[in-house]
Amino acid sequence: DGGITQSPKYLFRKEGQNVTLSCEQNLNHDAMYWYRQDPGQGLRLIYYSQIVNDFQKGDIAEGYSVSREKKESFPLTVTSAQKNPTAFYLCASRGLTNTGELFFGEGSRLTVL
Amino acid sequence: AQSVTQPDIHITVSEGASLELRCNYSYGATPYLFWYVQSPGQGLQLLLKYFSGDTLVQGIKGFEAEFKRSQSSFNLRKPSVHWSDAAEYFCAVGGSSNTGKLIFGQGTTLQVKP
Repeated sequence: DGGITQSPKYLFRKEGQNVTLSCEQNLNHDAMYWYRQDPGQGLRLIYYSQIVNDFQKGDIAEGYSVSREKKESFPLTVTSAQKNPTAFYLCASRGLTNTGELFFGEGSRLTVL
Repeated sequence: AQSVTQPDIHITVSEGASLELRCNYSYGATPYLFWYVQSPGQGLQLLLKYFSGDTLVQGIKGFEAEFKRSQSSFNLRKPSVHWSDAAEYFCAVGGSSNTGKLIFGQGTTLQVKP
């Protein structure tokens, strides 16, 4: 089945450590997105990429980095510069021919101790 | 500024009762509008979308939504709620630009009483 796979589902890290969240899709979608979800704040866009080797900052990019070396993969690194990294992170993708809806993975919950 | 407002943070309805979740948006161009549902600890699933044409759109699980341009609203409705509908619901707006970025509301948590 086609879909988006995020891993790990749960991750615990100490303060000051960088962590990388994986996002892989086999939908052949060109565009991929990372959102952060906090209680009562909805989803906020971190980074997005519309094509391999290119990506743009979203609304809350500070303290995060991404890469897009392959069409299927869009990993997110939460760096030690991110002041409040504990959150639920959602990866999404979109085919350029569809009418704008995003397809989401199951999410990764990061807890920084 | 582009934004989405869901005025109700939490709603409780009895099973079998009707449901309406409110969504208001601010968007400078022709909007594409979406409703997503999220179960605890899970990703988001698309319920329905509006991008043109008939302003009343039907979605999955018996949900429908009506686009009212004059009121900048896109309210979600269901005639009879089931206990399995308990979840968090998000309204989102995007546009016809190629970036595909969606702006999400804060979400409404639906609780269903037996």
